[in-house]
Amino acid sequence: GEDVEQSLFLSVREGDSSVINCTYTDSSSTYLYWYKQEPGAGLQLLTYIFSNMDMKQDQRLTVLLNKKDKHLSLRIADTQTGDSAIYFCAESPYSSASKIIFGSGTRLSIRP
Amino acid sequence: SQTIHQWPATLVQPVGSPLSLECTVEGTSNPNLYWYRQAAGRGLQLLFYSVGIGQISSEVPQNLSASRPQDRQFILSSKKLLLSDSGFYLCAWSQGAEIYGYTFGSGTRLTVV
Repeated sequence: GEDVEQSLFLSVREGDSSVINCTYTDSSSTYLYWYKQEPGAGLQLLTYIFSNMDMKQDQRLTVLLNKKDKHLSLRIADTQTGDSAIYFCAESPYSSASKIIFGSGTRLSIRP
Repeated sequence: SQTIHQWPATLVQPVGSPLSLECTVEGTSNPNLYWYRQAAGRGLQLLFYSVGIGQISSEVPQNLSASRPQDRQFILSSKKLLLSDSGFYLCAWSQGAEIYGYTFGSGTRLTVV
């Protein structure tokens, strides 16, 4: 079946790196995504990675994909207070056309 | 450019009352449309999705229904709300190719009292 799992909470000190981890079950997934949700708002697409890539970097964001272990991570360098949000991992399974499966979200909090 | 509108932003309804949430997309045609619910402190649950006018797929049995009367309009309804229907409802659209994922509306906070 299709399932995406991630830890519910992460707390980091301002200026440190944050690493949010995610595991998924469908090895046929073509795209994997990271979304950000700020309080009371909808989700915004942060970045995505195609399944034939191992890594993607975009400014402070680095996405790592381990297809063998079905593990996806999002690293945020120099974490700032504005990075406080819920981060959702998601996959686009080949078997479920037109649907994206979301994880439960990781709430990132920043300590001064 | 494409935009998605969702309203109202906040709604407080008594138990047993009807519900109608509306979502419209502009700047594109034949989008895939989705309704999600996010309960307090929990992840996203896909409620309905639609790949065309009049085509609705329901993901979970529940007290809600969805309709797509026009290409870019998606409506979430209930005849009688339950307390458990409280949550944050999100509409989203995609163009079918998943490279850009979904674009979400700003959400509706529904509180059933």
